[in-house]
Amino acid sequence: GAGVSQTPSNKVTEKGKYVELRCDPISGHTALYWYRQSLGQGPEFLIYFQGTGAADDSGLPNDRFFAVRPEGSVSTLKIQRTERGDSAVYLCASSLTGASNNYEQYFGPGTRLTVT
Amino acid sequence: AQSVTQLGSHVSVSEGALVLLRCNYSSSVPPYLFWYVQYPNQGLQLLLKYTSAATLVKGINGFEAEFKKSETSFHLTKPSAHMSDAAEYFCAVKIYGQNFVFGPGTRLSVLP
Repeated sequence: GAGVSQTPSNKVTEKGKYVELRCDPISGHTALYWYRQSLGQGPEFLIYFQGTGAADDSGLPNDRFFAVRPEGSVSTLKIQRTERGDSAVYLCASSLTGASNNYEQYFGPGTRLTVT
Repeated sequence: AQSVTQLGSHVSVSEGALVLLRCNYSSSVPPYLFWYVQYPNQGLQLLLKYTSAATLVKGINGFEAEFKKSETSFHLTKPSAHMSDAAEYFCAVKIYGQNFVFGPGTRLSVLP
C-alpha cells in the first residue's frame, strides 16, 4: 500500500517568506508526527497529532512554526517569516494509535527546505 | 527526560565483517527502543524495536539488537556486513507520555 508522502520534496525560499509543507499519512493512521533533521543530526521532534488535535506541540521552536491537521488525515506544517536557520529536512511520520502498536512509526521521504 | 547517545559518528567495516553500532539511553522508566536506517535522500526505515518482550530483538536485513537494562544499552549488530548496509543508523527512545528522542546517528561505511 501507499506509504507516507510529503510534498514538495524540495523547497527553496527567501528569508522572510512563508512556506507550507504537506504530509499525507498512511490511510487509517491516527497518529502523525513532524520532525526536523538538520545536517548530520538525528530527527528532532516538533509536534504530534492524535486525530485532528495537536496532542503535543512542545517541540515547535517558536511561534513562527504552526501545524494543522483539520480532518485527521493530511497535515500541513507552516513556517512564517522564514530564517536561514530553518533550513533542514522536515520529516513526517504516521502510526496507528500510539501505544497500541508499540509506537511503530512510518516515515515519509522528507521535504528539504532551504532558506536563502 | 530521556536521552540517547550513539558512540561513534562514523563506523567503517570490511564487507563480511561484524557490524556493531552502539546505543546508550538514559531513562528513569522502562523505555521503548528503536533502530532506524536512513539511506541517502530517503526517510527513516524501522529496522527493529524493543517493547519489553524478549531482550534480544531480531529485525530486517539480518540485524539484531540486545536490550541490556543494567548497561542501559541497545547495541545493534549484524554478523556479516554487506555493501548495501552502508547508510546512516539512528537509535531512538520513547517513553509513555513523552516525545520520541533520537540519537545523533552513526554513519556506517562498508569497505570492499
